[in-house]
Amino acid sequence: QQQVKQSPQSLIVQKGGISIINCAYENTAFDYFPWYQQFPGKGPALLIAIRPDVSEKKEGRFTISFNKSAKQFSLHIMDSQPGDSATYFCAAPSDPTSYGKLTFGQGTILTVHP
Amino acid sequence: KAGVTQTPRYLIKTRGQQVTLSCSPISGHRSVSWYQQTPGQGLQFLFEYFSETQRNKGNFPGRFSGRQFSNSRSEMNVSTLELGDSALYLCASRRQGGRPHEQYFGPGTRLTVT
Repeated sequence: QQQVKQSPQSLIVQKGGISIINCAYENTAFDYFPWYQQFPGKGPALLIAIRPDVSEKKEGRFTISFNKSAKQFSLHIMDSQPGDSATYFCAAPSDPTSYGKLTFGQGTILTVHP
Repeated sequence: KAGVTQTPRYLIKTRGQQVTLSCSPISGHRSVSWYQQTPGQGLQFLFEYFSETQRNKGNFPGRFSGRQFSNSRSEMNVSTLELGDSALYLCASRRQGGRPHEQYFGPGTRLTVT
């Protein structure tokens, strides 16, 4: 059974600052590890994902760092903006036989002050 | 392309009643997953359907059930509602052959049990 632990639960950052959210997983990394972003009243939306054989992926201001040996991965938001204020979830694939099942972290509420 | 739609958006039920929630996936997507989202437990996987067959099930009691129709639309049913079933129920669709993380979520149905 895949377990995912996410921290911190909440994060307050000033505009222009760097937001960092961390996740740890337990099972073998066999597929992509994604981050989702959720705004109030909306469902989660895929933000960025990384293959387990890659250590870093960058898309605009968003970067995933992946440490396979430590079974940890993190999301960095550079130059954080008030519009980035949302709840962020990391997720991990459960196992190769579980098709589309994802195990999610508990979520991090990010608030970016102007 | 229209996104994932869920109906109804809000629902209030009484303990002991049953409820049926509906999900229409993105056109062409054949996989539909359901998740329960609560402040305490986060996002938890309920089940996944593909081509009218349940492929995977989470750790929820038998009161939670689902089905998928030939047009890929899906319904989930909760019988004998309990107060703890109050949650946001999200469905997500995925194209055939899509990776587990390539899920598109609907806005959810907010269920309140009184």
